[in-house]
Amino acid sequence: GEDVEQSLFLSVREGDSSVINCTYTDSSSTYLYWYKQEPGAGLQLLTYIFSNMDMKQDQRLTVLLNKKDKHLSLRIADTQTGDSAIYFCAEMTGNEKLTFGTGTRLTIIP
Amino acid sequence: KAGVTQTPRYLIKTRGQQVTLSCSPISGHRSVSWYQQTPGQGLQFLFEYFSETQRNKGNFPGRFSGRQFSNSRSEMNVSTLELGDSALYLCASSLDAANTELFFGEGSRLTVL
Repeated sequence: GEDVEQSLFLSVREGDSSVINCTYTDSSSTYLYWYKQEPGAGLQLLTYIFSNMDMKQDQRLTVLLNKKDKHLSLRIADTQTGDSAIYFCAEMTGNEKLTFGTGTRLTIIP
Repeated sequence: KAGVTQTPRYLIKTRGQQVTLSCSPISGHRSVSWYQQTPGQGLQFLFEYFSETQRNKGNFPGRFSGRQFSNSRSEMNVSTLELGDSALYLCASSLDAANTELFFGEGSRLTVL
């Protein structure tokens, strides 16, 4: 079956790095994504990684993919108050639809 | 260029009524997908359209339907509303059939009383 799991909550001090983890189960996933959702808003595409890569860096964001363990992580360097949001990981399966995780609520401690 | 536009942003209906939600994709995008977001079930795939054809459908009852027009704009309809249909309905557009990058709108928040 398709099940994407994430921790529900993460608190990080401003200026520290945040690491949000995700475990997926569909080994045939082609792309894996990270989306950000702020209160009352839709989903903002942050970054994505092709399944044959193991790392992608984009400014403050670093995505790590361990395909053997089906583990995806998002590291946000120098976390700021504007990074407070819910972060969703998602996998794209063969039928071109996204299966989302439960979301991780990131809280920044001043 | 403009992002994905969804209307209306908020609406309130009563049980048994029907509702139509609209989505205008990013200019040039030909694929439109719909997702339902609720606190209990999270984000669930509803359906996806490409070139006016429904390519994929999620596990929702027949009360949920949609269509796509020749200009790629899409509508979804929910008939005989139930309390459990209260949700944020999100539309996403993608450039082509591969759906590599999905860009979401702000959503339509439906409350069923």
